[in-house]
Amino acid sequence: AQSVTQPDARVTVSEGASLQLRCKYSSSVTPYLFWYVQYPRQGLQLLLKYYSGDPVVQGVNGFEAEFSKSNSSFHLRKASVHWSDSAVYFCAVRNSGGSNAKLTFGKGTKLSVKS
Amino acid sequence: EAGVTQSPRYAVLQEGQAVSFWCDPISGHDTLYWYQQPRDQGPQLLVYFRDEAVIDNSQLPSDRFSAVRPKGTNSTLKIQSAKQGDTATYLCASSPGLGYSQNTLYFGAGTRLSVL
Repeated sequence: AQSVTQPDARVTVSEGASLQLRCKYSSSVTPYLFWYVQYPRQGLQLLLKYYSGDPVVQGVNGFEAEFSKSNSSFHLRKASVHWSDSAVYFCAVRNSGGSNAKLTFGKGTKLSVKS
Repeated sequence: EAGVTQSPRYAVLQEGQAVSFWCDPISGHDTLYWYQQPRDQGPQLLVYFRDEAVIDNSQLPSDRFSAVRPKGTNSTLKIQSAKQGDTATYLCASSPGLGYSQNTLYFGAGTRLSVL
């Protein structure tokens, strides 16, 4: 079975500071990994995804994430946050291969950016 | 291209009442998902379809929840006899059927349900 752990329920950073949101996954096979963002009263929007190849993937709005097989991690980073980045961020995993299209989410990290 | 459309946006019920949620996926997307998202938690899969067929409903409380997608396009999720524990946002998502793009889910804005 696949699972995702986001160890930080809440993170607060100052505007302009760098950011890292942590994600650890568990998967029996090579995973597909995703980060989604949810703004208040909205659905989830895809930030970035990793399938294979270069372990550092670029996403929208300056976000990037790094896949580490040895650490079973897929941490999200941003060099300089803006107040508009305040939202809830979800890491998700899907097993590669096969016909199972189930996407499993972590519990989310609520990011607050203070000015 | 229109996104995933859900209705209603909000629903408030007394325990024991029934409610239905409706989802219109992105045109051409053959896979449709229903997720339940309790407050301050991540989405949890209830059921998903490929075309009109149920692929996985193992997390759907079958005694009170049902979901259909009769023509492989729109879908309805129904709760019979709602309980306070059903209070959550219900998210619908869809994805295309082929290649790597099938792994990307596109979400609607959700239906926020409160059961009093």
